[in-house]
Amino acid sequence: QQQVKQSPQSLIVQKGGISIINCAYENTAFDYFPWYQQFPGKGPALLIAIRPDVSEKKEGRFTISFNKSAKQFSLHIMDSQPGDSATYFCAASMSGAGSYQLTFGKGTKLSVIP
Amino acid sequence: NAGVTQTPKFQVLKTGQSMTLQCAQDMNHEYMSWYRQDPGMGLRLIHYSVGAGITDQGEVPNGYNVSRSTTEDFPLRLLSAAPSQTSVYFCASGGQSNYGYTFGSGTRLTVV
Repeated sequence: QQQVKQSPQSLIVQKGGISIINCAYENTAFDYFPWYQQFPGKGPALLIAIRPDVSEKKEGRFTISFNKSAKQFSLHIMDSQPGDSATYFCAASMSGAGSYQLTFGKGTKLSVIP
Repeated sequence: NAGVTQTPKFQVLKTGQSMTLQCAQDMNHEYMSWYRQDPGMGLRLIHYSVGAGITDQGEVPNGYNVSRSTTEDFPLRLLSAAPSQTSVYFCASGGQSNYGYTFGSGTRLTVV
């Protein structure tokens, strides 16, 4: 049973455009939603994260939007750059002892073309 | 400060062989985990530890053993390798005051 569904699998965006990746979760006990960025041959790196007490979090060109009632959250990359080309994973976890048991989506490969 | 160090980076095993993937962190993190990454499958949790001497199973534990004798080290053991264990393995660690996991650079394992 896949608890975090991520779409699309791949995404091609023009330089300067907006990249949008969506995730949906099923477990209402999840209360921490991070996004990870992974470059080829490297481990995933934490990009930005949100808790359900806010509907949006912005860090530079990266924004997470969160819809608790719909059990959905999304990553927006504004002014996308070729250096943003990577695989992005959404994830979810619970508080307390479960906080580090991350459940990942299957990933989105983003290609930003000049 | 090296972060999370995984060794080896690459390994080829024959079916039935055993090996240990090493993971060490120097950030005094309590939490450590092992994930495997397969094409189109994302990252799946194998085993995790919430402190020295405490380990538990994740989503895909079969065929793998772990132990946590020190805060720094969290080795993953394959007792009898199978082709289905061909994957990229990532170790990660996290501290109690920080929900962000730090991942190692991975071990690419091929079982033939």
